[in-house]
Amino acid sequence: NAGVMQNPRHLVRRRGQEARLRCSPMKGHSHVYWYRQLPEEGLKFMVYLQKENIIDESGMPKERFSAEFPKEGPSILRIQQVVRGDSAAYFCASSPRSGKDYGYTFGSGTRLTVV
Amino acid sequence: QKEVEQDPGPLSVPEGAIVSLNCTYSNSAFQYFMWYRQYSRKGPELLMYTYSSGNKEDGRFTAQVDKSSKYISLFIRDSQPSDSATYLCAMSFYGQNFVFGPGTRLSVLP
Repeated sequence: NAGVMQNPRHLVRRRGQEARLRCSPMKGHSHVYWYRQLPEEGLKFMVYLQKENIIDESGMPKERFSAEFPKEGPSILRIQQVVRGDSAAYFCASSPRSGKDYGYTFGSGTRLTVV
Repeated sequence: QKEVEQDPGPLSVPEGAIVSLNCTYSNSAFQYFMWYRQYSRKGPELLMYTYSSGNKEDGRFTAQVDKSSKYISLFIRDSQPSDSATYLCAMSFYGQNFVFGPGTRLSVLP
């Protein structure tokens, strides 16, 4: 029973390029959450998705960032025209239903470096 | 004032000690509380999950929630070097969109 799978583990992008981060939730989990972790800081909520729906994107920057969780395939966090300040670890978590009953299971993260 | 506060540490204890990790928070509407352990360069691992006030025990770990004081704790008994990690508390109103503390770094010395 694989856990939450994130890829790539490490991603290097030049300023202005696009970054695509993928997350496959645990089997049976239909709720996906994306968090960002900056060095020496806690995890910051970005977006909460269910299949084909964005439930809460209150933590997403208004520009350049988007997320989707299609009917088939992994959830994608997309960052367009990356800047150095986007360098961080991006974690995906999943839960079978609302996290209030189960808490989250996190993936190992994607470490994005913008050069 | 930050929503969730934790002493960043580092906290160093000898092997076998009882460890007390704490978080304070400002919003009395939080109802759901979690503790995660995060090893360096890894994803957070769920340790304990509680709803509202009270205690919960799981093996060497005990979580306490005191909503009247807006204070939660995680106790680790018989601490081991393998417990050396960063411990994150998290809380939520409805069980979604958890707010995380910055984490406390723990070092258990053999």
